[in-house]
Amino acid sequence: KQEVTQIPAALSVPEGENLVLNCSFTDSAIYNLQWFRQDPGKGLTSLLLIQSSQREQTSGRLNASLDKSSGRSTLYIAASQPGDSATYLCAPPEKLTFGTGTRLTIIP
Amino acid sequence: DGGITQSPKYLFRKEGQNVTLSCEQNLNHDAMYWYRQDPGQGLRLIYYSQIVNDFQKGDIAEGYSVSREKKESFPLTVTSAQKNPTAFYLCASTPLAGASEQFFGPGTRLTVL
Repeated sequence: KQEVTQIPAALSVPEGENLVLNCSFTDSAIYNLQWFRQDPGKGLTSLLLIQSSQREQTSGRLNASLDKSSGRSTLYIAASQPGDSATYLCAPPEKLTFGTGTRLTIIP
Repeated sequence: DGGITQSPKYLFRKEGQNVTLSCEQNLNHDAMYWYRQDPGQGLRLIYYSQIVNDFQKGDIAEGYSVSREKKESFPLTVTSAQKNPTAFYLCASTPLAGASEQFFGPGTRLTVL
């Protein structure tokens, strides 16, 4: 059964810093990898979907990479802002399995 | 606007009662999913449906039931057999079953009194 791990569980950084969130999965036989953002008491908002034919995907200040051979994905956030504070989750959509997420706090 | 709606946003239930959570999507997606989220834990799959009139159990289906009579609707019933139903429930959909991008609704918070 696919397991998804996200490290660290929580992260606090000063505003303006660049940061990296990590996602690892045990079964490398995946097609796609999706990153989400969840604000407290809200549903998940899709940030990026990295498809099997891609190694990375970019949207604004966000860049996500996928290395299926090593079972890892990273989400890079550039020039962090207080509005980026949220919990970030990753999941291979076809496995219907999520990590527990990384709770990110950007300190003004 | 296309999207997924869940109602109600907050739901309170007395022990021993069944309650039904609504999930509707106007994205014309084939597949729909129900997840449960508990504090400090990841999402756990309850049920999913890849096509109308068909659904499969997820990892924690005991005490729950679903139906998929229409493509756009996938209601979840939390029965009295569910021992610890207090949680945040999230509905999702994908264009096709499998590896396609998941979209989520805003969630329903269920509290058992």
